[in-house]
Amino acid sequence: DAKTTQPPSMDCAEGRAANLPCNHSTISGNEYVYWYRQIHSQGPQYIIHGLKNNETNEMASLIITEDRKSSTLILPHATLRDTAVYYCIVTPDYGGSQGNLIFGKGTKLSVKP
Amino acid sequence: DVKVTQSSRYLVKRTGEKVFLECVQDMDHENMFWYRQDPGLGLRLIYFSYDVKMKEKGDIPEGYSVSREKKERFSLILESASTNQTSMYLCASSLAGALSGEQYFGPGTRLTVT
Repeated sequence: DAKTTQPPSMDCAEGRAANLPCNHSTISGNEYVYWYRQIHSQGPQYIIHGLKNNETNEMASLIITEDRKSSTLILPHATLRDTAVYYCIVTPDYGGSQGNLIFGKGTKLSVKP
Repeated sequence: DVKVTQSSRYLVKRTGEKVFLECVQDMDHENMFWYRQDPGLGLRLIYFSYDVKMKEKGDIPEGYSVSREKKERFSLILESASTNQTSMYLCASSLAGALSGEQYFGPGTRLTVT
């Protein structure tokens, strides 16, 4: 079972920031938070990950609360192409040789013009 | 950019047929994975491989086998396809030294078994 809880759907206006929340209240100390997205009929796409600190890359920012029980993925200027299902995943690091990603139901983000 | 390609986007096969799904990655990744994705069930790991000729069972290996003869290629084989194997099949790869959650997926193969 997924260890995360996400709202089933969200809307966002094009050009505005999309803030996607994720609850992972049972996260363990050695578990990372990952975000993926899946555009309709395509494979999942890795976005970003973090352990304790906030992270930013060219796609998004990840804000993790100090107690690590929740996080928020921020798409700073959402476009229509960001419409997708966004998955928040919590998993330990198995040293790279394993890594079974447990995808929950995710949040369907709809970016509207 | 990492590129993971799968041999077909859509495939229709008959019950009892032997089915080969091919996956190729071009980034010299050591690890490769096969998942299936079904509505309401999310992604489920079928098999993974962390080196050439090595394979490990995932959560649902029954009815499937795999082959990794070359580093860049990981094949999923359905020995005798059944209707309950109708699904979206996703291949992924990752670097051995990377965090295990950072995987790169192909576009998927939607297999229908009639």
